[in-house]
Amino acid sequence: EAGVAQSPRYKIIEKRQSVAFWCNPISGHATLYWYQQILGQGPKLLIQFQNNGVVDDSQLPKDRFSAERLKGVDSTLKIQPAKLEDSAVYLCASSPGQKNIQYFGAGTRLSVL
Amino acid sequence: DQQVKQNSPSLSVQEGRISILNCDYTNSMFDYFLWYKKYPAEGPTFLISISSIKDKNEDGRFTVFLNKSAKHLSLHIVPSQPGDSAVYFCATRGVDSSYKLIFGSGTRLLVRP
Repeated sequence: EAGVAQSPRYKIIEKRQSVAFWCNPISGHATLYWYQQILGQGPKLLIQFQNNGVVDDSQLPKDRFSAERLKGVDSTLKIQPAKLEDSAVYLCASSPGQKNIQYFGAGTRLSVL
Repeated sequence: DQQVKQNSPSLSVQEGRISILNCDYTNSMFDYFLWYKKYPAEGPTFLISISSIKDKNEDGRFTVFLNKSAKHLSLHIVPSQPGDSAVYFCATRGVDSSYKLIFGSGTRLLVRP
C-alpha cells in the first residue's frame, strides 16, 4: 500500500515570496492533516480536513496560509507571503477517520531566507 | 502553554539495556495517548498507544505505562537496539470534536552498540 506522498521534499525561498506544498494521502483515507514542525518542537496541527470540508483550522495563520482539498483527495498548502519564522518542516498526514491512527508523509523542509 | 511535555530532550542508553522515555500532560480530560517514532528525513510513524481505561499496554519490546493520577506516561523499550535510535514523540488526542493530536517536543534516543 502506498504511503502519504508529499512534494517537494525541500524548498528554499526568500521572505515575502510565495510557496505551495502538495500532499496525496493514502487511498481511501477521509481525513487529511497539515502539521508544521519547527526545529526542536513537536508537530503542530495547522488544518484538518474531513473529505473536502475543514474540521479544524484554529491554528492556521489565515492572513498568510491557505489550504484546500478539492474533490476530497489530494491537498495543497500555500504560504503567501512567507516570513522567516515559517522555516519548518511541513508534514501531511492522513487517516481513515478522525479517531484512527494518522500516517505521515516524509514532509517538506522549507527554508525562508 | 504546552499541554504535553517531554522534559528530556535526549537520552543515551547502552544496547541491550532498558530505555525509559517520559511524558507529562496537563489536562485530565485527555483519554488516549500515542507514541510516534521519527527517523531523520522521514515522517513520524505510529509506535504504540494506550487508552485511559488501561494503565499498561505492551507490544513486543515496547510497553507504555499510564499513571492518570500523576498525569504521566512512559515508554519502555526492552531490550534497546541500535535501530531504536530516533526521536520519540508523545502525543494525546484532543478532547474536542476534531480529535486532533497534540504532540510533545520529542526525546532523541541514542542506543550505543
